[in-house]
Amino acid sequence: LAKTTQPVSMDSYEGQEVNITCSHNNIATNDYITWYQQFPSQGPRFIIQGYKTKVTNEVASLFIPADRKSSTLSLPRVSLSDTAVYYCLVGDDRGSTLGRLYFGRGTQLTVWP
Amino acid sequence: DVKVTQSSRYLVKRTGEKVFLECVQDMDHENMFWYRQDPGLGLRLIYFSYDVKMKEKGDIPEGYSVSREKKERFSLILESASTNQTSMYLCASTPAGGVEKLFFGSGTQLSVL
Repeated sequence: LAKTTQPVSMDSYEGQEVNITCSHNNIATNDYITWYQQFPSQGPRFIIQGYKTKVTNEVASLFIPADRKSSTLSLPRVSLSDTAVYYCLVGDDRGSTLGRLYFGRGTQLTVWP
Repeated sequence: DVKVTQSSRYLVKRTGEKVFLECVQDMDHENMFWYRQDPGLGLRLIYFSYDVKMKEKGDIPEGYSVSREKKERFSLILESASTNQTSMYLCASTPAGGVEKLFFGSGTQLSVL
């Protein structure tokens, strides 16, 4: 069971880059790393997913070192609307971890003006 | 875009009542999930289903049951609601094959008095 560990909270100011690191020491060979964002009173929504090295989309970048025991979500130039809880999950592409996806408490990111 | 619809946004029930929470998805996804979310505890998996009439217990199934008679619909049942089941309930779906994007509904805030 690949559980994850993230900081409970982070603070930033508008326009700064924010990096949130997730630890997943027990990640398995077939596991992918996925990040979700959740605003108050809404369900989480997918941000980005990766397996190794670096992935970038229009919202964020995901950096994964060679040993894959951690990953870093990078949000460039955050705005007030990026204030949310961010969750890191690991799970495989075969469906065998469907019932074992661990959301944890996530990281509460607060962006200040 | 995938849409996951939960039948009620807010629900107030009395202790001992039988409660049905309904979830419908419109993308023909095989996998569906029910989570509950409580402050400080993150998301916890109650039940999931990987096919019609198939169900698996998650981490906290006690006091709950589920029904999946049709592929698009996944129901969560509280046989006899109790005050400790007051929570935000989130439904999610994902295609077969593994940990792709989980698509969440907006949630149902259930209060049991």
